[in-house]
Amino acid sequence: QKEVEQNSGPLSVPEGAIASLNCTYSDRVSQSFFWYRQYSGKSPELIMSIYSNGDKEDGRFTAQLNKASQYVSLLIRDSQPSDSATYLCAVTAFSGYSTLTFGKGTMLLVSP
Amino acid sequence: DTEVTQTPKHLVMGMTNKKSLKCEQHMGHRAMYWYKQKAKKPPELMFVYSYEKLSINESVPSRFSPECPNSSLLNLHLHALQPEDSALYLCASSQDRSTDTQYFGPGTRLTVL
Repeated sequence: QKEVEQNSGPLSVPEGAIASLNCTYSDRVSQSFFWYRQYSGKSPELIMSIYSNGDKEDGRFTAQLNKASQYVSLLIRDSQPSDSATYLCAVTAFSGYSTLTFGKGTMLLVSP
Repeated sequence: DTEVTQTPKHLVMGMTNKKSLKCEQHMGHRAMYWYKQKAKKPPELMFVYSYEKLSINESVPSRFSPECPNSSLLNLHLHALQPEDSALYLCASSQDRSTDTQYFGPGTRLTVL
């Protein structure tokens, strides 16, 4: 049974701070890792994808992957109130076809 | 352009009604997905279509019937639903089944009375 674990939160940070969101996964053959942002009542929006160990930066967002530790994280620099949302970690393992396994999501609250 | 569209945005139906949800993408993607999402839960996969053929059915009750008329369109036909089927129904697409990046549509908020 593939599992993706996230702290449900809420994670509260002040405006301008760095928010750190963490995710662990159980399936060692997992190959692709995604972070989606979901505002209340809206659909998931892709923020970042990462496939190899190390860091990947895109604007204020940095995804970090450590396959040996089965750990993926998302850092949000200079957090803004508009970043307040639920962040879903999703993992997939290619085996002829791929399906996403989602974590339960971490709610982030950025206070002005 | 990574746009997936879904209609309607909201749908209220009785347990005896028949309705359909529609999803469309014009990105040339060959894999399309239906998910169901309940409040404060992650999306749950329902169906996967690859090259217009149903490739995954996650043991979804037969009152949900998917259809893929062509490579750009995906429908979900609903009949004799239960109140517990009320949820946000999400469509997603990816380049093909071997490509992981899935892009979600805005969803249809379904309420079953």
